[in-house]
This record gives sequence, structure tokens and C-alpha cells, in this order.
Amino acid sequence: QLQLQESGSGLVKPSQTLSLTCAVSGGSISSGGYSWSWIRQPPGKGLEWIGYIYHSGSTYYNPSLKSRVTISVDRSKNQFSLKLSSVTAADTAVYYCARGIAVAGPPYYFDYWGQGTLVTVSS
Amino acid sequence: EIVLTQSPATLSLSPGERATLSCRASQSVSSYLAWYQQKPGQAPRLLIYDASNRATGIPARFSGSGSGTDFTLTISSLEPEDFAVYYCQQRSNWLFTFGPGTKVDIK
Repeated sequence: QLQLQESGSGLVKPSQTLSLTCAVSGGSISSGGYSWSWIRQPPGKGLEWIGYIYHSGSTYYNPSLKSRVTISVDRSKNQFSLKLSSVTAADTAVYYCARGIAVAGPPYYFDYWGQGTLVTVSS
Repeated sequence: EIVLTQSPATLSLSPGERATLSCRASQSVSSYLAWYQQKPGQAPRLLIYDASNRATGIPARFSGSGSGTDFTLTISSLEPEDFAVYYCQQRSNWLFTFGPGTKVDIK
């Protein structure tokens, strides 16, 4: 059974960089055909896809966040990470990591999710 | 960027009733559309992928239909555990977006 677990700082000051890690267990992050995404949800609001890293190492980002986002992978630790720079209060949200899969084409639907971690941006 | 619109925003129904949720895309997404259920304090759960395929373990009362720009999620007979928020999500080339959600609450 695949499991994903987010970790990182729960409180970030405005203008600083948010850093989160998603540890994957029960399967290899290097397995072909999957994408590894970050998705966030501001309190009381809907879901926003942030970006993903493909098994090949290619990355794709939400155009609205692209200038501030970096997603990377550490295959030796079977985990992937999110960095979001220059944060403001609008970046306060529950951040989820998730595995993307598809029958064909880009792996776009998310079959496994982490439990989510709340990140608050405040001084 | 493709925008997804969901309607209604809130659907108030009783257990046993049929729920019909709509998701409309601003451009064609072919059949690359998924549906998720989210309950308070939980991560979303995949229900439907590629517009009409039920994910593993999803009850048969959930069904999806549509292609192009218009999609529907139907819950044939609401169970108490089905009252939740439902999101659609699409893939356009290599980018993804979610709809704003439909809340199904108890009438």
C-alpha cells in the first residue's frame, strides 16, 4: 500500500521560502508512468494544483505560481520536495502531495494522497 | 489555461435521492476529467477518472459521463456518507486544474 507523508515548517514568515517534503513509502518514486504533485487548499476554499515532477525528472508548474515554485526529487530517499518563494498570507493553506497516474498520456488523476499539512504565513 | 466551472455550488438533498453534479470546461478536455470527493479534515478521494471510469473500491452508485466540455457526476441514491464536497479536475496537455467544487449537503 503506497503511503505519502508531508513534512516541513508549519509557520513561514512573509517574503520567506516555504519548504515541504513528501516521503513516499510502499513503492518507488522512480517507477515509470507516475507524476508526483503538490496541491494546496486555503482554509475553507477549493483545491489548487501547484505542480508536479514526472518520473523522468521533468517538471510542470501552475502558470500562476511558476515564477515562485520549484519541485525536486531525491531518489535516494524516495521523496520529493516543494519550495515556494516570496510567500504572502495568500499562500496559507493545507498542502497535499499526491501521486498522479493515467491509462495513457500525462499522469493527471491522483490516486494516492498525503494527509496534508497546514502551512501558515505570518510574521 | 482551461477553466472548470461546477454547478450548482450547493446541492441540498435527502438520503436516497439522486444527485446530479455538473462540470463544464472552457475548452475541450476530451475525456481527461476526474472527480474527487472530499470530507472535512480529509484529503480528497478519487472517484472517477477519464470521465466515466470508477476508481478502485468506488461503489457502483457513483457514475460519470460526458466528453469535450460537459461532464456529469451522478450519485444514484445518496448514502449518509456521500454528503461531502465534490471536485472535478482536468488535464490539458501537461497542466492540470480543479473546478471550484459542489457541496452536497443534507436537506
